[in-house]
Amino acid sequence: QSALTQPASVSGSPGQSVTIPCTGSSSDIGALNFVSWYQLNAGRVSKLILYDVRHRPSGISDRFSGSKSGITATLTISGLQADDEADYYCNSYTTSGTFIFGTGTTVTVL
Amino acid sequence: QVTLKESGPVLVKPTETLTLTCTVSGFSLSNATMGVSWIRQAPGKALEWLAHIFSNDETSYSPSLKSRLTISRDTSKSQVGLVMTNVDPVDSATYSCALAAGTLIYFDYWGQGILVTVSS
Repeated sequence: QSALTQPASVSGSPGQSVTIPCTGSSSDIGALNFVSWYQLNAGRVSKLILYDVRHRPSGISDRFSGSKSGITATLTISGLQADDEADYYCNSYTTSGTFIFGTGTTVTVL
Repeated sequence: QVTLKESGPVLVKPTETLTLTCTVSGFSLSNATMGVSWIRQAPGKALEWLAHIFSNDETSYSPSLKSRLTISRDTSKSQVGLVMTNVDPVDSATYSCALAAGTLIYFDYWGQGILVTVSS
């Protein structure tokens, strides 16, 4: 299985919004709503920020939102803040009962 | 407080077998709705999912590595292990375990990871 496709980097000024698409296939994102997003910050420990495409765990800011259309899931970060600078990875459970991560996106706050 | 800690060798020779252990504190691995995965990240590369074990001991493996991996659980020791056979320098990476504490498939807690280098 090939990794889900994400842009290598996105950037935005404080207060702006950025979107990160995550493109998969009919065996993962296109078939199931088991999409999640993880933030990997400078401390290099990942944090779950969205699950089931659009749901936020307790304690995660509502500036993070998710959506899905077809084989593409999207993470949107609104009101960009300096501490949003991190690497972001999408993940999907697949119809084969496996997991697959995206290629990762580095978010830079200008 | 839930914590995960990986342990194992930091240096392994090519063709050898790598054995890693994830020790979980603050959460029972006997929980009926839990899962634990091993995930790695090579320097400068993306996260790569390796293997998962569910609360019913059902296992799942990355198709590209399935023949070389074994994941197991010891609830009495609160540990999840990963065995990787016939390692190669391309297997050099930080190996992390991640716990799905109530959803089976979403990783609420992660360990800090252990950097493993494969070199002769």
